This record gives sequence, C-alpha cells and structure tokens, in this order.
Amino acid sequence: AQKITQTQPGMFVQEKEAVTLDCTYDTSDPSYGLFWYKQPSSGEMIFLIYQGSYDQQNATEGRYSLNFQKARKSANLVISASQLGDSAMYFCAMREGWVDYGGSQGNLIFGKGTKLSVKP
Amino acid sequence: NAGVTQTPKFQVLKTGQSMTLQCAQDMNHNSMYWYRQDPGMGLRLIYYSASEGTTDKGEVPNGYNVSRLNKREFSLRLESAAPSQTSVYFCASSERVGYTFGSGTRLTVV
Repeated sequence: AQKITQTQPGMFVQEKEAVTLDCTYDTSDPSYGLFWYKQPSSGEMIFLIYQGSYDQQNATEGRYSLNFQKARKSANLVISASQLGDSAMYFCAMREGWVDYGGSQGNLIFGKGTKLSVKP
Repeated sequence: NAGVTQTPKFQVLKTGQSMTLQCAQDMNHNSMYWYRQDPGMGLRLIYYSASEGTTDKGEVPNGYNVSRLNKREFSLRLESAAPSQTSVYFCASSERVGYTFGSGTRLTVV
C-alpha cells in the first residue's frame, strides 16, 4: 500500500487565486513528520513547509499553509494568492519515527507529485 | 553557499560501464541519502547513511553500492550500468527536520 497518496496528477489555477493540493498518508507510527517540496522545471527540490504529528497548530510559511487533519490522515498544502512562479511539481513526503537528536533522522517517503500550472 | 553538492550534473553511460556519483555536504549533518526520480514517480530511496560509518538499503538498492567516506561525503556507485538505471539522482542530507537536497544528476544509460 502506498504510504503517501497524491490523487491530483495535474491542476490548474488562475493567478491570484488560492489552490489546495491534496495529500493523504498511511502510517501506524504515532510520531511522524510531513513535508511539502516544490520542484520547478529546473529540477531542484525546494522545501516549503513541515508539520510534526504532535504539532497542535497547522504549519504556515508565508503564502503556504498545511491543512493537517490527523484523524483523516491528510496533509493538504494550501497556496494562497497563486503566482506564475508557483507553476511546478509539488511533492508531499513523510518521515516516520521519532527525531533522534544527533542520530538517524529517518528517510523521507514521497508521493508521486502534483503538477500545478498557474494561468495568467 | 552551504548545501549539498553533487557531481556530475549530467552523464551518459553505455550499458555495462561503471561510474560513481559524488555527493558532499558542508552542514555537518549526520544523515545522508541517495534517491532516484523517474518520470511520473516521486523520489525513491536507494541507500541511506544514518551516521558516519553506517549504510543501509532503501526501497530500490539493486544495482547500486554506496560509501560513506566521512561525515561530509556519500558516494553512489553503479558497477555495471543498465538502461533501467536511467534516472535523475538526488543526494540529500538531514539534521532533525531539515532535509537539504543537491541539484541532481541526470544519468542516461544507452
């Protein structure tokens, strides 16, 4: 079974509108972290936002927010006020297990991604 | 700039040739990883090193070997390249919740 599921292979959004990219995850570990990365056409992986399983509040970073619904095992990325530069692939990822300070950090498990296209 | 440096950026190999992908980080991170990315797929873990002196297999280790030379460097070796290993390879390092990726190596095996 897939651990990270992104059900939207591609999405379009009008410039300046908000968009939600879906991500569901599967884990039995009570300690985990959820990440979103952006991959523009140039290919680099750009970290956007992180949510820990014990975090009480939804994470926010500028125009990015993570809608974390623990009971539903979903971690959707919300981009507000879309810009043309937001056109890219977006990957949801999960790290299982407790963060071991000074030791193993755990491997990231990635979804297949969503291609976002922002229309002018 | 601090980060993860991968070399080379591009490589074309013939089937059966060998090569080593190099990765170095200057952030003093303990953990390092090698991923591959194929079209329509997310990144899949090949090997990782939780700390200097240790390495472990990931999801897709067949056909690869790794060496954690020291805390900074983690190399990936293809002993006998196959067309199925055509992919984009990413090295990454991490500390706590911060994961940093290199810019990738685009490898084509013909």
